[in-house]
Amino acid sequence: AQTVTQSQPEMSVQEAETVTLSCTYDTSENNYYLFWYKQPPSRQMILVIRQEAYKQQNATENRFSVNFQKAAKSFSLKISDSQLGDTAMYFCAFMTTYSGNQFYFGTGTSLTVIP
Amino acid sequence: DVKVTQSSRYLVKRTGEKVFLECVQDMDHENMFWYRQDPGLGLRLIYFSYDVKMKEKGDIPEGYSVSREKKERFSLILESASTNQTSMYLCASSSTSGRFHGELFFGEGSRLTVL
Repeated sequence: AQTVTQSQPEMSVQEAETVTLSCTYDTSENNYYLFWYKQPPSRQMILVIRQEAYKQQNATENRFSVNFQKAAKSFSLKISDSQLGDTAMYFCAFMTTYSGNQFYFGTGTSLTVIP
Repeated sequence: DVKVTQSSRYLVKRTGEKVFLECVQDMDHENMFWYRQDPGLGLRLIYFSYDVKMKEKGDIPEGYSVSREKKERFSLILESASTNQTSMYLCASSSTSGRFHGELFFGEGSRLTVL
């Protein structure tokens, strides 16, 4: 069975500082994808960043980067230079390449950026 | 841009009523999903479909059914709504090929309250 664990229900960070959100997962598969999704208050869920398991290089998207540790099954998200618009619920997700690309989500981390 | 449109943002229904939640995507995606989002539980998969007229149960299908008569439309049906189905319902779609392979695109969500 695939599981995704986010152990930090809530976090806060000062504007312009850096914050890291943790995520671990469990799977017996070798080919999979990992994602971080962002859900701003009362708004649509959008993709922040994705990582293919076969790639060793950590993905980056502007101020967002991941630390992917395949052996440890860890996939943390680092947000640099935090902005007020980063305030949102963040979900870590794992996708298998079987069964119609089914996703498994963590329970989410609510991040508040403090001015 | 990919657009996933959910028919209703907010609904209030009474116990025992039949409820239809509709979702339409405009990117010719093969896969469509219905999730339920509850605080502290993350996103839980209700049903998904990887082709027209195909459907697969997710983790919590009890009390729900789905219909996919056309590729772009995926409907979630609550045959007899109950108060424990009060929740946010998220529709999503994904492609099995191309640049955005596997990435989930979400609708804005439908918040259902059952009285």
